[in-house]
Order: sequence, then C-alpha cells, then structure tokens
Amino acid sequence: EVKLVESGGGLVQPGRSLRLSCAASGFTFEDSVMHWVRQPPGKGLEWVSGISWNIGIIDYAASVKGRFTTSADNVKNSLYLQMNSLRAEDTALYYCARGRGGLAQDAFDIWGQGTMVTVSS
Amino acid sequence: EIVMTQSPATLSVSPGETATLSCRASQSVSSKLAWYQQKPGQAPRLLIYDAFIRATGIPARFSGSGSGTEFTLTISFLQSEDFALYYCQQYNKWPFSFGPGTKVDIQ
Repeated sequence: EVKLVESGGGLVQPGRSLRLSCAASGFTFEDSVMHWVRQPPGKGLEWVSGISWNIGIIDYAASVKGRFTTSADNVKNSLYLQMNSLRAEDTALYYCARGRGGLAQDAFDIWGQGTMVTVSS
Repeated sequence: EIVMTQSPATLSVSPGETATLSCRASQSVSSKLAWYQQKPGQAPRLLIYDAFIRATGIPARFSGSGSGTEFTLTISFLQSEDFALYYCQQYNKWPFSFGPGTKVDIQ
C-alpha cells in the first residue's frame, strides 16, 4: 500500500523550532518528488516546500524561505521539514505529498493525513 | 509567484444538477493544472491533473478543461458525496500555488 505518515507536530512557543517527519512506504521514494503543504485551521491550502534529489531541486514558499529547511533520507524513506523561528502564522496542519510522476512539475497524487503544528505562547 | 483565483467562493447546487467551477492563473501555466477535492477532516484528493486527465478511480462525472490561464472543473449529476471543497493548483512553475477554493454545498 502506498502511504505517507507525518509526525512531529505539537505546541511550540514563538521563536522556537520543530522538526516534522514524513515516513513513506509502498513506492520508490528516491525517485519521487516530495512536497510539504500546510493548511491553517479553517483556511485553504498553501504549498510550503518541495524537493527532488534526482532532479536537484529544493524550493520554498516566500513565507518560509530562510526559516524552514526540507531534507530527505533515502535509506529511511523519510522526508523532513526543519522549522525554525516559528511564528503564530505558521500554525497549521502540515501535509506531506508526493508528486505524481517523478517529474519536477506534476500534481500531488498521494497525501498523508497531516500533523498539526500550533505556535503559541 | 503565480497567483491562482477561484470562483465562485461558494456554489449551491441541488443533487443531480451540474456544478461548474472556475480557476484563473495570473500568468500562463500551460496545462499544468490540477483539481483537488477535500472533505472535512480529510486530506485533499487528486481529481484531475494536466487540466483534463482524471486521476485513478475518479468517476467520469468529473471533467476538467482549459489551458493557459483559464480552467474549469465540471461536476455532472452531483452526488451527495460530491459536496465538498475544491481547490485548483498550478504546478507549471515553482513555487507551486493553490487557489483559495470553492465550496460546493447543497442547495
């Protein structure tokens, strides 16, 4: 079964850090383009970051650039999002998602169930 | 960054009728446009990619059209399970971007 499972969310104070993980199974992780997407409570979807080690792309939304870092471990079949200098506006449900065809430009066909990050004092 | 807009924000439709949702990009995205459905408490689900290709397992009552900057998602013969939020997304250029969504609810 193709599956993505996020973990690592929680309550964190403004200015602190948090690291999210996404465990992948059922597909060839190292050939995939992977993304982070977030959704604040009651609001829409926002693309956060994407990575393709095969193609050599890592990119970030302007709202997180310089504060968030995406990485991957092909041995552990896992995607990570290191979030530093967290702000209240980073409060959201964070999803990891897979790019459909292994290309740099493709839709997201597999999504995890998300992990909630709450930034509050 | 490419800005995506969707209209209307809310669409009230009766079961069995047809819903037409619009999506516009601030610059051409060619055919690199996807539609997702999201229900409360669930992750988004891919419906349409490359503007008009249905994803695996998606019923034929969902159809997509358009290219460049103007796109449409049509849901024919609306079923009870189709009442949900729908998002468009461009993936022609990084950073990718989503529209704000259209809520399809029961009239």
